[in-house]
Amino acid sequence: GESVGLHLPTLSVQEGDNSIINCAYSNSASDYFIWYKQESGKGPQFIIDIRSNMDKRQGQRVTVLLNKTVKHLSLQIAATQPGDSAVYFCAENLSSAGNMLTFGGGTRLMVKP
Amino acid sequence: DGGITQSPKYLFRKEGQNVTLSCEQNLNHDAMYWYRQDPGQGLRLIYYSQIVNDFQKGDIAEGYSVSREKKESFPLTVTSAQKNPTAFYLCASSIELFLNEQYFGPGTRLTVT
Repeated sequence: GESVGLHLPTLSVQEGDNSIINCAYSNSASDYFIWYKQESGKGPQFIIDIRSNMDKRQGQRVTVLLNKTVKHLSLQIAATQPGDSAVYFCAENLSSAGNMLTFGGGTRLMVKP
Repeated sequence: DGGITQSPKYLFRKEGQNVTLSCEQNLNHDAMYWYRQDPGQGLRLIYYSQIVNDFQKGDIAEGYSVSREKKESFPLTVTSAQKNPTAFYLCASSIELFLNEQYFGPGTRLTVT
């Protein structure tokens, strides 16, 4: 069936470096994507979203890139800080059909001081 | 402050007992959701509700029940029929069903022994 997945389960980066977290999706009709951050023992927090009519969207220190050709989504975090250590989920949705969000398994980001 | 609250944060029950998890939101959102999270897995949808007095089964509804008597409240009951109830349970809400960012509560960790 259609699914959302992540390439790397764990990513370790040095404080101050940039982080890139990747996500592959298989439903080419999905038109809405979200990145969530989840700290240990807490609920997910919205980071940034992007619709399929865009290739790139920037927030504060974060950028999401969408490559529809290869069905790939990435989250870039600039100047990674210890507070960025968390599990990051991508989720996809066929919003035009009112479909449920499908979540990936998550990538754990560990920031080394 | 607006947000979603879940209580309690930790819950322990004996096998064979039903248990109800609380979820309250003051965001004036119409849609509410219950997810289950297991280690290393993506969120799985248990039940969702588009509006008061209406709710639908998600992907893993067996052994669970919900009610939506008030817009602000969406309690989840984990029944003794749920074969593997130990998990982290997350409640979420959104303005419209599946079409917008979902806001998550802090979660309840249920342990059944």
